[in-house]
Amino acid sequence: KQEVTQIPAALSVPEGENLVLNCSFTDSAIYNLQWFRQDPGKGLTSLLLIQSSQREQTSGRLNASLDKSSGRSTLYIAASQPGDSATYLCAVYSGAGSYQLTFGKGTKLSVIP
Amino acid sequence: DGGITQSPKYLFRKEGQNVTLSCEQNLNHDAMYWYRQDPGQGLRLIYYSQIVNDFQKGDIAEGYSVSREKKESFPLTVTSAQKNPTAFYLCASAGWEGYTFGSGTRLTVV
Repeated sequence: KQEVTQIPAALSVPEGENLVLNCSFTDSAIYNLQWFRQDPGKGLTSLLLIQSSQREQTSGRLNASLDKSSGRSTLYIAASQPGDSATYLCAVYSGAGSYQLTFGKGTKLSVIP
Repeated sequence: DGGITQSPKYLFRKEGQNVTLSCEQNLNHDAMYWYRQDPGQGLRLIYYSQIVNDFQKGDIAEGYSVSREKKESFPLTVTSAQKNPTAFYLCASAGWEGYTFGSGTRLTVV
């Protein structure tokens, strides 16, 4: 059974710092991987989707990479801002054409002004 | 704008009562999902549907029921058999562009 781990569980950084969030998964036979952001009491907002044939995706200050062979993905946030404070969730799709997701428990990020 | 609408935002349930959470999407997605989120436990899959008039149990289906009579709608009923229903419930749909989530319903037993 696929397991997704996100380390650290919580992270606090000063504003302006570049940071990396980590996601690892036990079964490398994944299809896609998606990063989400969740603000307190809110739903999940999609940040980046890395499809099976891709190794990375970029959107603004965010860059996500995927290394299936090592079972790892990273989310890089450049020049962090207080508005980036949220919980970041990694989710993997298992099986070609499958929309079944397995989620990590998330990393809670606090960016201090 | 395409998206997913969940209602109500807050819901209170008395002991022994069934309640229904609404989920509507206008993204033309075939696949729809219900998740439960509890503090420290992450998201757990309750039910999912990949096509109209068909749905499958997820990891924690006991005490819940769903229907999928229309492509756009996937309501979740929390029955009296669910002994610990207090949680945050999230509905999602999925297409080639990935998952899209609603804003959630917080259910509390009173």
